[in-house]
Amino acid sequence: QLQLQESGPGLAQPSETLSLTCTVSGGSLKSYYWSWIRKPPGKELEWIGYVYYNGDTNYNPSLKSRVAMSADMSKDQFSLKLGSVTAADTAVYYCARYIRGAGYYLDYWGQGIQVTVSS
Amino acid sequence: DIQMTQSPSSLSASVGDRVTITCRASQSIDGFLNWYQYKPGGAPNLLIHSTVHLKRGVSTRFSGSGDGTDFTLTIDDLQPEDFATYYCQQCKTFPLTFGGGTRLEIK
Repeated sequence: QLQLQESGPGLAQPSETLSLTCTVSGGSLKSYYWSWIRKPPGKELEWIGYVYYNGDTNYNPSLKSRVAMSADMSKDQFSLKLGSVTAADTAVYYCARYIRGAGYYLDYWGQGIQVTVSS
Repeated sequence: DIQMTQSPSSLSASVGDRVTITCRASQSIDGFLNWYQYKPGGAPNLLIHSTVHLKRGVSTRFSGSGDGTDFTLTIDDLQPEDFATYYCQQCKTFPLTFGGGTRLEIK
């Protein structure tokens, strides 16, 4: 059974860069797309973007100028960096595997990590 | 961006009931519509992809239908473990977008 686990600091300072990592177990990054999604309090789920195992990326235009994603096949991890954070970036952040092929969907998700942006 | 609108936003039902949740897209998404179940503290769980295809292991009490802009999720014979929040999501175009969620509560 594939499992994903988010890790990183639960608190970020305004204007700094938030860094999160997702560790994949029970499977490999290879040949798949890997996504980040977040849910701010009281707001809808927001897709942040994806990184392909070879490093190709696709970001939500609303966040594109501040986002960077990467994948490390040697560690079966992928990461998210979000720059110049503000209180509006406070959210539960999820990582998930994105299937593109016979259907398009997010089939396995991590439990989520609460990130609060505050001084 | 494609806007996804779910209704109702909350719903009360009893064990054994049949419930239907609807999802409307702001433009046609063909059949690129997925449904997820979420319970607090857990990971969102894919139930149905591509409008009608049940994820392996998901109860057949769940079913999906629709095309174009209007979609439904139906749950037959509600069980205690079904009380959760349900989200629709479109994968027709980027950015991927989600509905606002439907909270299903025990009556």
